[in-house]
Amino acid sequence: EAGVVQSPRYKIIEKKQPVAFWCNPISGHNTLYWYRQNLGQGPELLIRYENEEAVDDSQLPKDRFSAERLKGVDSTLKIQPAELGDSAVYLCASSPSRGSYEQYFGPGTRLTVT
Amino acid sequence: GQQLNQSPQSMFIQEGEDVSMNCTSSSIFNTWLWYKQDPGEGPVLLIALYKAGELTSNGRLTAQFGITRKDSFLNISASIPSDVGIYFCAGQIRRNTGKLIFGQGTTLQVKP
Repeated sequence: EAGVVQSPRYKIIEKKQPVAFWCNPISGHNTLYWYRQNLGQGPELLIRYENEEAVDDSQLPKDRFSAERLKGVDSTLKIQPAELGDSAVYLCASSPSRGSYEQYFGPGTRLTVT
Repeated sequence: GQQLNQSPQSMFIQEGEDVSMNCTSSSIFNTWLWYKQDPGEGPVLLIALYKAGELTSNGRLTAQFGITRKDSFLNISASIPSDVGIYFCAGQIRRNTGKLIFGQGTTLQVKP
């Protein structure tokens, strides 16, 4: 069974540019998470989806971040415009059932903003 | 917001030694989890704990859910080089919400 797929794996952009990350969860997993992991820190939740619905986006900086999961499968996280402080690893995770602690993480996208 | 404090921040040990790390919080958690993250990869779940006092093993790993529900520890026995990585504790304040709060990690290095 394929794991969580994320692309790109690495991205370097200049500040003020837009950037997008893509995630394809494990087949059949209805719950999808986006996390941000700063250097030397644990992951921090940005947004959680149940199918197409964003059920927890309280930690998403909505002035510059947006996310979508239009068909309840893959998802895109966007930053526009990027700032220097956005440099981090963006992790996607999926879960087989609503509210489950069993979260399967992808390898992440390492973003560097210069 | 809620925070989990992990200690130690890093460890450098000899192969074959036992390792102990812990995680504390000012908040009560209903679920405690331990993850391992290898370089360039996402965290992988090692052990999940559901009730106060619970002691659970997974091979050479043993974890306990503290009686106060505000702490947890992870032990690794007879460490081997592939144990190298970053170990994160994570907690769930309300069960079945899927909302995890992660500690800042303990980096483990093992000298062959």
